[in-house]
Amino acid sequence: DTEVTQTPKHLVMGMTNKKSLKCEQHMGHRAMYWYKQKAKKPPELMFVYSYEKLSINESVPSRFSPECPNSSLLNLHLHALQPEDSALYLCASSQDRSRDRYNQPQHFGDGTRLSIL
Amino acid sequence: EDKVVQSPLSLVVHEGDTVTLNCSYEVTNFRSLLWYKQEKKAPTFLFMLTSSGIEKKSGRLSSILDKKELFSILNITATQTGDSAIYLCAVGSRAGNMLTFGGGTRLMVKP
Repeated sequence: DTEVTQTPKHLVMGMTNKKSLKCEQHMGHRAMYWYKQKAKKPPELMFVYSYEKLSINESVPSRFSPECPNSSLLNLHLHALQPEDSALYLCASSQDRSRDRYNQPQHFGDGTRLSIL
Repeated sequence: EDKVVQSPLSLVVHEGDTVTLNCSYEVTNFRSLLWYKQEKKAPTFLFMLTSSGIEKKSGRLSSILDKKELFSILNITATQTGDSAIYLCAVGSRAGNMLTFGGGTRLMVKP
């Protein structure tokens, strides 16, 4: 078990559905991330939140909508997804100190395995 | 564009063998290099390296960074079947709170 908790663990949805992925951490980390990982590929960064503000969006389609309601929670809202969006979605968090912002290891959750029918 | 390349792509060894995994990189404004182990789910953090020539050790695993030649190695001694996993190398750059991952090395340790 990791200190970053993701729910649900598995999700099957149709292309017209709306669903949300959730991520929670209580390590006091102020940077949180969404990654997408296809089979036999490394994780690809989607979004970065720093102090609850979106700081990086890696040209992700608008059918993925991130939200950071507070410093412990990160959501990913899904709408009108395509079959090629089926993947493992990983959440990660790291400390985000202003002096050494980019020098902290990211800790990953177990992911949500998403299948689009 | 930042680039991280891992080799070999896959490796099959027997218990007790020693393995060396390689990671080379080309990034703008390098800050750190990280190694993760991924089994079925979450990548698990192993090491973070920021300085050249300083070995980091954790049990049978060790890693070192060469910032002049732009590579890192991960050594695993006396391998066990539980070491079977994908080992991911990632490089953090000043460009943002982001990691660029290599393609991973799939290690299988046979009894």
